[in-house]
Amino acid sequence: DTAVSQTPKYLVTQMGNDKSIKCEQNLGHDTMYWYKQDSKKFLKIMFSYNNKELIINETVPNRFSPKSPDKAHLNLHINSLELGDSAVYFCASSQDPGGDYTFGSGTRLTVV
Amino acid sequence: GDSVVQTEGQVLPSEGDSLIVNCSYETTQYPSLFWYVQYPGEGPQLHLKAMKANDKGRNKGFEAMYRKETTSFHLEKDSVQESDSAVYFCALIDQGGKLIFGQGTELSVKP
Repeated sequence: DTAVSQTPKYLVTQMGNDKSIKCEQNLGHDTMYWYKQDSKKFLKIMFSYNNKELIINETVPNRFSPKSPDKAHLNLHINSLELGDSAVYFCASSQDPGGDYTFGSGTRLTVV
Repeated sequence: GDSVVQTEGQVLPSEGDSLIVNCSYETTQYPSLFWYVQYPGEGPQLHLKAMKANDKGRNKGFEAMYRKETTSFHLEKDSVQESDSAVYFCALIDQGGKLIFGQGTELSVKP
């Protein structure tokens, strides 16, 4: 029974397209996050939601828009994809901000 | 802002060697400190943690001591195994609840 699940696992798309990544957690956690891992494996937070409310919004291009329909789901929509958006995107959750994080297995996005 | 530094990008011990992976942090507060481990094709997973100064986190033979005086949280193990091979991330939680990671250290244990 997967705790934090992301779909799709792989996404290959052309520059300029719009794509979405979905995330669901069944842990009953109140807080969810999106992280980006670059080619050097550096992990950086992008967004955080607590009970469907945006609480962290790092310096991310506004082509990236998170949406949380309920506290178990946090989706990431990306408009006008660029080559530099190629990375692995991880969804995570925690009981509250600052609690232990549980990560999904990632979505590898490749923009060609 | 808060930051975490890991000085080694890769370490290549042989099976049975001892291990130290360095981690230093900068912060104006007293955060909880973590080591996360990432295996190929997976997300990071919590490996061990320490909540306050002089606490020691332990898991699967690994240890890390929260040292406030040297702002360090080095990961140590007496005898590494091939199955320990993975990428290890040191991290802290900042005041806003963000998990801030170091650059990661790839551990590749030679059989």
